Amino acid sequence: EVVLTQSPATLSVSPGERATLSCRASESVGGSISWYQQIPGQAPRLLIYGTSTRATGTPRRFYGSGSGTEFALTITSLQSEDFAFYYCQQYYYWPYTFGQGTNLDI
Amino acid sequence: QVRLQESGPGLVRPSETLSLTCSVSGGSVSPSFWTWIRQSPTKGLELIGYISYTATVNYNPSLKSRATISMDTSTNQFSLKLMSVTASDTAVYYCAKCSSVDCAGWFDPWGQGTLVTVSS
Repeated sequence: EVVLTQSPATLSVSPGERATLSCRASESVGGSISWYQQIPGQAPRLLIYGTSTRATGTPRRFYGSGSGTEFALTITSLQSEDFAFYYCQQYYYWPYTFGQGTNLDI
Repeated sequence: QVRLQESGPGLVRPSETLSLTCSVSGGSVSPSFWTWIRQSPTKGLELIGYISYTATVNYNPSLKSRATISMDTSTNQFSLKLMSVTASDTAVYYCAKCSSVDCAGWFDPWGQGTLVTVSS
């Protein structure tokens, strides 16, 4: 199965700063990557699909990029509500898989 | 808007069968695909399998044929059974809506999740 490796495991930043989260696939998944945000105690929430398309309600400060095996989620001008866990997911090969997550921490 | 809610026992004994139901409100299970996903500290997020409104199913090979997903369109619900559970099946179980045919896409929305603990 496709292994998604997210880095870093934890990213400590300050409000107002920019954060870039990485997701690397063990083989090419084209553009079939989505990103989810999870606040502890809640279910994951879809942020981005198709590498770069924002889901309904996703603020414009969230930006997805990449192709093939290298993908990134960039959050510009971090807000307090952005500090959470972030997961990438590939839907190119079955079984669809998730990365192990990045904890965006203050 | 579509909302999902998981229900079922929070404690299951080892070697027994885990059974969960996902109730869909605000929309019909037809003509979409629906999935079960679990999350544990050791395995992270893991897709269990999916089902269509016509009961087409596909399972993650890692579950080694222990999982069965079924659909009841009359009640707008779908269910998960996982046989022969062990402590490694302890997780928060989520149901979610697939974005496209054959579930070849992202998942949105998700249910709130239900914690299932396997213990004697």
